Amino acid sequence: AQSVTQLDSQVPVFEEAPVELRCNYSSSVSVYLFWYVQYPNQGLQLLLKYLSGSTLVKGINGFEAEFNKSQTSFHLRKPSVHISDTAEYFCAVRLKTSYDKVIFGPGTSLSVIP
Amino acid sequence: AAGVIQSPRHLIKEKRETATLKCYPIPRHDTVYWYQQGPGQDPQFLISFYEKMQSDKGSIPDRFSAQQFSDYHSELNMSSLELGDSALYFCASSQGPWMYGYTFGSGTRLTVV
Repeated sequence: AQSVTQLDSQVPVFEEAPVELRCNYSSSVSVYLFWYVQYPNQGLQLLLKYLSGSTLVKGINGFEAEFNKSQTSFHLRKPSVHISDTAEYFCAVRLKTSYDKVIFGPGTSLSVIP
Repeated sequence: AAGVIQSPRHLIKEKRETATLKCYPIPRHDTVYWYQQGPGQDPQFLISFYEKMQSDKGSIPDRFSAQQFSDYHSELNMSSLELGDSALYFCASSQGPWMYGYTFGSGTRLTVV
């Protein structure tokens, strides 16, 4: 079975500073990888996804993530954060097979400090 | 663009009562997924349907049941509610269960008192 680890439960960062949110996954087969963002009291919004091809994927709001197969990682980065980026970020995986659900990591709470 | 619609947005029920949550997928989406997100928790998969048939089952309590109707909307029925059922319930839809593109609704916040 696949699993997702997000080592940092909380990440405080000053406004305009860079940030990296770490994600590692475990799976015996190939997976699709996702990052979702959840703003306070709101639903889940897809930030970006890795399906195949280039290992560097760009998403919305200036975020990007890099897939590293050898390290089974999919870290999320942003070069300069804004107050509005304060939210919960979930890394997620899905097996490249039919009828399979998305499995979420425990989430990382990003707090941007003015 | 049309999104996944969930109703109601908020629901307050007493212990041992029954609740029904509804999910209306994006038009032409035939697959629906239900997730439960407890306070401070990550979303946990409950159940999914493809073409009105259950396609996968996760950590859904026996007190809960769900179905997908002919118009592809889905309902999650929750009976004998417990305080621990208080959570945000998300529905997501996709065009086929093999598709990687999940779209989530805004969720129904259920509070059991």
